[in-house]
Parts: sequence; C-alpha cells; structure tokens
Amino acid sequence: AQSVTQLGSHVSVSEGALVLLRCNYSSSVPPYLFWYVQYPNQGLQLLLKYTSAATLVKGINGFEAEFKKSETSFHLTKPSAHMSDAAEYFCAVNPFGNEKLTFGTGTRLTIIP
Amino acid sequence: DSGVTQTPKHLITATGQRVTLRCSPRSGDLSVYWYQQSLDQGLQFLIQYYNGEERAKGNILERFSAQQFPDLHSELNLSSLELGDSALYFCASSPAGGGSYNEQFFGPGTRLTVL
Repeated sequence: AQSVTQLGSHVSVSEGALVLLRCNYSSSVPPYLFWYVQYPNQGLQLLLKYTSAATLVKGINGFEAEFKKSETSFHLTKPSAHMSDAAEYFCAVNPFGNEKLTFGTGTRLTIIP
Repeated sequence: DSGVTQTPKHLITATGQRVTLRCSPRSGDLSVYWYQQSLDQGLQFLIQYYNGEERAKGNILERFSAQQFPDLHSELNLSSLELGDSALYFCASSPAGGGSYNEQFFGPGTRLTVL
C-alpha cells in the first residue's frame, strides 16, 4: 500500500524564517501528492497538489513544494514564515486509480515571534 | 468556506448509543468521502460514495455504516458507541468518481465525544 511519512511531528521556526516541512512517499510509480493545512478547530484546506504536470508546485499563501522522484520526497517550503502559518500540515497520497487519500501523521508548525 | 457542510458541529453521547452525522457536498460534486481523525489513529479514510453507490471502503468498523441519498447528501451512522469512537469526523467531496487528481474539499467536521 502506498503511504507517506512526515518527518518531525513538531516544527518551530521564527517569524520571517524559512519553513521546511518534510514528506517522503513510498510508491513504485509517481503518485498524486497533496499538502493540506488544518487550522485550529477547522477542516482541512488544500495548499497544493502534484499531478505530474510540473515538479515544482506553487500553492496558496506563498507555499510551494518540489517533487523529487530520486529522493521520493515532496517537501513543503515557504521562504518567510508568518504568524498566521501556525497550523497542522498534512501530506497525503492518492494513488492512481484509487481515490482515497492516505495521510501522513501531520506536522504541527509553531511560529516564534 | 469549502462549500461542504456538516451537522452537527458537536455531539456528546454515551457509550452504547447510536448517532447520525450528516454531510452535504458542494453543489455538483458526486463523490463523498468520510474520514476519522483521532489522536491515536490520525486521519483515516472510512468510506466513499459516488452518486449513491458505495465506491471504496477503508478502515470502517462493522458498527459504522453510511449511505448517500438521491440528493447526494450523505449520512454516517455510528452505533454501539465506545469511548474509542470519540474523534473528529470529516466529510469531503469531489466532482467526479474517477481520476485521483481530483481535489477533495473538506467540511468543518463533527466532533463526537462518547462519555
């Protein structure tokens, strides 16, 4: 079964610093990959998705992710953290031909003023 | 606002009871998915319906069942509730039943507390 692994359940960065949230996938073929964000007491919102059209994917709120087949990674980055980025972030995989999302365990991002 | 609505927002009940969670997908979306989010299990897929028919099943207990009605809203029924069923239950919808690139739009969730 295809899965994703998120390294680091908690990440803290200073306001204005680079945000890097790690996600590795296990798949014999390039899957469809997603990053979702969950703000406190809210549902999940899609940040960005990889659908094989381009390896560098730009999303909302200044986030982007790069698909690296050689490293089986899909790390999420943002050049400059903002206080409003504090949330939980989930990487998810949706294997071709199977529509259910399999989520990683999530990374809680804390922004230090 | 994703356009997916879920009711109720909060539900508190006792062990052994039965509850029904309701989801209305975005206008025009044919697929509805149910997910459970708990501290120990994380986010897990339960079941998917497409245009009224069950499409895929995940880690859904036999005590749980779901259906999608002709107007495309869906209900998740949880019976013989146990303490461990306490969780946040999300509904998501997507436009079609085929093609895994379809984005899933999530509702705000129903928080179930079993006492």
